[in-house]
Amino acid sequence: DQQVKQNSPSLSVQEGRISILNCDYTNSMFDYFLWYKKYPAEGPTFLISISSIKDKNEDGRFTVFLNKSAKHLSLHIVPSQPGDSAVYFCAARSGATNKLIFGTGTLLAVQP
Amino acid sequence: EPEVTQTPSHQVTQMGQEVILRCVPISNHLYFYWYRQILGQKVEFLVSFYNNEISEKSEIFDDQFSVERPDGSNFTLKIRSTKLEDSAMYFCASSEASYNEQFFGPGTRLTVL
Repeated sequence: DQQVKQNSPSLSVQEGRISILNCDYTNSMFDYFLWYKKYPAEGPTFLISISSIKDKNEDGRFTVFLNKSAKHLSLHIVPSQPGDSAVYFCAARSGATNKLIFGTGTLLAVQP
Repeated sequence: EPEVTQTPSHQVTQMGQEVILRCVPISNHLYFYWYRQILGQKVEFLVSFYNNEISEKSEIFDDQFSVERPDGSNFTLKIRSTKLEDSAMYFCASSEASYNEQFFGPGTRLTVL
């Protein structure tokens, strides 16, 4: 099931710089997208979401951009902090269902 | 801040044994979910539950699996006869409404020997 893809398994960024995490999807029925952060031995923590009727949603240091024509979304973290180091999962849902389809995750390392 | 809790954090069992994983969803949430993550793989949906019945289940959720809300606070996942390939992290999640974000618990690591 490759409906949601995160092609970068890892990303390393300097503290204070921007982190950009990318996600692609194939199912045009998806209408709601979420980003979760996960630390080892913990469950996914909800970060930010976006509906398909929008192209941008911002919450503090986190901004999610959605490009429906490209079936692509990205999470921007500015400025990046060492505490942001974690695995970031993109997830998607279609209106017909409650289930979330997850990507494989991107391990973000923010270097002090 | 309210959170989803899960017990136990780690469960070791012999193949063929029954296990029950427990979850306490956030108190005002109405929708409940189980997901699992096999080591090195994606987080996968198992089942969603609303109004005391299953609203959706994946192909993974076969007859060996069942869910129950035995009282007003707990939500359980039972695996009737565990297999080696059931070894995974099992996450419970809940949401206030079907269209809201889902909040996850810390997970139960199930190891089947």
